Amino acid sequence: KQEVTQIPAALSVPEGENLVLNCSFTDSAIYNLQWFRQDPGKGLTSLLLIQSSQREQTSGRLNASLDKSSGRSTLYIAASQPGDSATYLCAVHASISNFGNEKLTFGTGTRLTIIP
Amino acid sequence: KAGVTQTPRYLIKTRGQQVTLSCSPISGHRSVSWYQQTPGQGLQFLFEYFSETQRNKGNFPGRFSGRQFSNSRSEMNVSTLELGDSALYLCASSWDYRKTGSSGNTIYFGEGSWLTVV
Repeated sequence: KQEVTQIPAALSVPEGENLVLNCSFTDSAIYNLQWFRQDPGKGLTSLLLIQSSQREQTSGRLNASLDKSSGRSTLYIAASQPGDSATYLCAVHASISNFGNEKLTFGTGTRLTIIP
Repeated sequence: KAGVTQTPRYLIKTRGQQVTLSCSPISGHRSVSWYQQTPGQGLQFLFEYFSETQRNKGNFPGRFSGRQFSNSRSEMNVSTLELGDSALYLCASSWDYRKTGSSGNTIYFGEGSWLTVV
């Protein structure tokens, strides 16, 4: 059974700092991994999608890496801003059975606060 | 183009009642998934529909059901509501998130439907 862990559960950093969020998964046989952000009371916004064959993806100040062999992904945020404050979730897309069933398994998220 | 639209946004029901939530995916998207989000359990997968067929199902009791129409719009229904069903229900759409190696598997979420059971 795929399990996805995000540590720490909460993180506070001063504005302007670079930071790294971590995501670990137990089964390396994944199709892809996606990072999302969620603002309070809102849905999820897709940030980056990394295919299983890729090592990293970049979008603006965000860079996500994937190491399937170790079951880890990181989301790097450069020059953090107060608007980056949100909960960040990673989700792993993988097979859940031998019958073609697949699903996304989400981590519990890291609540990020950027201090002005 | 318009994003994923969920209705209603907020609703309050009493125990034993049933509820239907609606989701309109992004135009052209054929895959619609439903998730339940609670503070204690996080995001839990309910089911996924693709071209009107349920393709995957999570570990929820039979009181939770769904369907997808020919225009890809989807509904989920919860019968005999329990207090523990209070949650944010999120709908997500993609062109086909099972297609590996393509941008078609980027998933887009709606704002969610907040259900409170009293």
